[in-house]
Amino acid sequence: DIQMTQSPSSLSASVGDRVAITCRASQSIRTYLNWYQQKRGKAPKLLIYAASSLQSGVPSRFSGSGSGTDFTLTISSLQPEDFATYYCQQSYSAPRTFGPGTKVDIK
Amino acid sequence: QVRLQESGPGLVKPSQTLSLTCTVSGGSISSGGYYWSWIRQHPGKGLEWIGYISYSGSTNYNPALKSRVTISVDTSKNQFSLKLSSVTAADTAVYYCARDSPSGFLEWYSFDYWGQGILVTVSS
Repeated sequence: DIQMTQSPSSLSASVGDRVAITCRASQSIRTYLNWYQQKRGKAPKLLIYAASSLQSGVPSRFSGSGSGTDFTLTISSLQPEDFATYYCQQSYSAPRTFGPGTKVDIK
Repeated sequence: QVRLQESGPGLVKPSQTLSLTCTVSGGSISSGGYYWSWIRQHPGKGLEWIGYISYSGSTNYNPALKSRVTISVDTSKNQFSLKLSSVTAADTAVYYCARDSPSGFLEWYSFDYWGQGILVTVSS
């Protein structure tokens, strides 16, 4: 199985801050990497697929980059509705695996 | 707009079989190219992929659960189902169904539609 790690596990930030979350795969997954946002009590929501493609309807302040084993999700200017937990997920091979999540809360 | 909705018992006794159904609306489960997945989330924890099925019935399961999992599809009802046998308290989780959808010429798959989730508690 491909193991996914994320850092940091949590962070505190203010509205307007630029935030970056990193994800690392245990082997190369090319660009088969997705990012999801999950708010408390809700299902995850797809933000970024194929490492850098913005899902339809997702604000442009979200962006993704990386390939191989190292990836980054960036929120250019944090908004109140962005406080949530973010997960990366690889779709390079089965079993699909997720990172442990990064919780973004209000400073 | 594709919608997925999980249904089934919210309480299952230890050693019994957990059975859930996902009903898909707004699109046909028989549309080619998609995989229909089950994913679970233990309370306060991360996400665990359980497995998927295609409309034709081909499956792929998480090796960690493979011996206990069966996923099936009923295209006439636009539904797919999960059975997890010999459950224990460790199977208590929110269970989600989701569509695993390809994009682009390299078929980058991602979970683009999710159900709202159903909490299943294993307890006597």
